[in-house]
Amino acid sequence: QSALTQPASVSGSPGQSITISCTGTSSDVGGYSYVSWYQQHPGKAPKLMISDVSNRPSGVSNRFSGSKSGNTASLTISGLQAEDEADYYCSSYTSSSTLVFGGGTKLTVL
Amino acid sequence: QVQLVESGGGVVQPGRSLRLSCAASRFTFSSYALHWVRQAPGKGLEWVAVISYDGSNKYYADSVKGRFTISRDNSKNTLYLQMNSLRTEDTALYYCAKDAYTYGRGTVSWGQGTLVTVSS
Repeated sequence: QSALTQPASVSGSPGQSITISCTGTSSDVGGYSYVSWYQQHPGKAPKLMISDVSNRPSGVSNRFSGSKSGNTASLTISGLQAEDEADYYCSSYTSSSTLVFGGGTKLTVL
Repeated sequence: QVQLVESGGGVVQPGRSLRLSCAASRFTFSSYALHWVRQAPGKGLEWVAVISYDGSNKYYADSVKGRFTISRDNSKNTLYLQMNSLRTEDTALYYCAKDAYTYGRGTVSWGQGTLVTVSS
């Protein structure tokens, strides 16, 4: 049950776009369409931003989008805003019927 | 809007036990899988366990297998986590989370968490 691999940090200026990657294996990210992305502000519970690779829940800004290619999933945030500064985590269903999370990525809006 | 309220956290000595509860409301509890996820202070999210909608299927992270037991009472809309043989590395904020499916595929809603501190 190794954690999915995410960059420790990314940054961007307001209005720019950034992409956070999430790399796993064929036994998790590559094998299923059950990849989710979460946003977590300090002291708060995680909030679902993307489910099932690319589905955006009701109420989540359309500036957030998800995709997957092979064993790597990606979260793209366009038109960066100050409020997007947070930690972001990916998760995936696995062949062992478990879930696995990424190590998290700290997004800094410059 | 889905509501999940965890309770039962506290300070416990290594080797002792603790039971967490998660009271759910505002959705059909018996139709969805449920998870426990934890976050050690200053660290990332770690998935702990999942239970299917009817309690027939349960899966655990290797780090807690054999020590923790997930269960649910669909008549009380409550999820549980029995934690035995606690270790200092189990210190974390424990979240319960609702899945989108009857069997665990991915969490969609989270509670606010209950803090467990394992210390002598």
